[in-house]
Amino acid sequence: QVQLQESGPGLVKPSETLSLTCTVSGYSISSGYYWGWIRQPPGKGLEWIGSIYHSGSTYYNPSLKSRVTISVDTSKNQFSLKLSSVTAADTAVYYCARNIAANWFDPWGQGTLVTVSS
Amino acid sequence: NFMLTQPHSVSESPGKTVTISCTRSSGSIASNYVQWYQQRPGSAPTTVIYEDNQRPSGVPDRFSGSIDSSSNSASLTISGLKTEDEADYYCQSYDSSMGYVFGTGTKVTVL
Repeated sequence: QVQLQESGPGLVKPSETLSLTCTVSGYSISSGYYWGWIRQPPGKGLEWIGSIYHSGSTYYNPSLKSRVTISVDTSKNQFSLKLSSVTAADTAVYYCARNIAANWFDPWGQGTLVTVSS
Repeated sequence: NFMLTQPHSVSESPGKTVTISCTRSSGSIASNYVQWYQQRPGSAPTTVIYEDNQRPSGVPDRFSGSIDSSSNSASLTISGLKTEDEADYYCQSYDSSMGYVFGTGTKVTVL
């Protein structure tokens, strides 16, 4: 059974870089699939941030592309998100998920709330 | 670029049927698969329909999905409504230029 778990600071200062890691258990990232990040501002809808393949190939939401870097560490079975120059608008619950057949996301991690505030 | 627009909310009594629409603003709804996710309060989304009309194992057959090219929309139908179905539902599709796009979300209330 594949499980994902997000980890990282819950509070980030404006203009700094948000960094999160997703640890995958029950499946080896090296075996395949894309792996993605999605976020949800409080009380709002879902927004895809970007996805990465185990080889390191990435694709990003065009609206966030200039600030996003997603990387993978197959030795730790983890992939990570960095979002630079954050503002209050980046406050959200951040989810990681497996990206299946370039179509859908399943399963999802439980999510982690990141607040941008000084 | 395109958007996926859903009704803000729908409500119905237990045992009844609700249908949630997901209308694509431009481009064909049939050009890429549509998925549907259920999100209960305080929880992560889970998949109830993938690839337009496929149900993951464990999802009851009360949930069904369809595509209507004439209205350029997808629909999620929940029959035999139960109180446990009360949640937010999001459609999602893909576009080569935009990546993954989620719908605006619909709150389902079981009266």
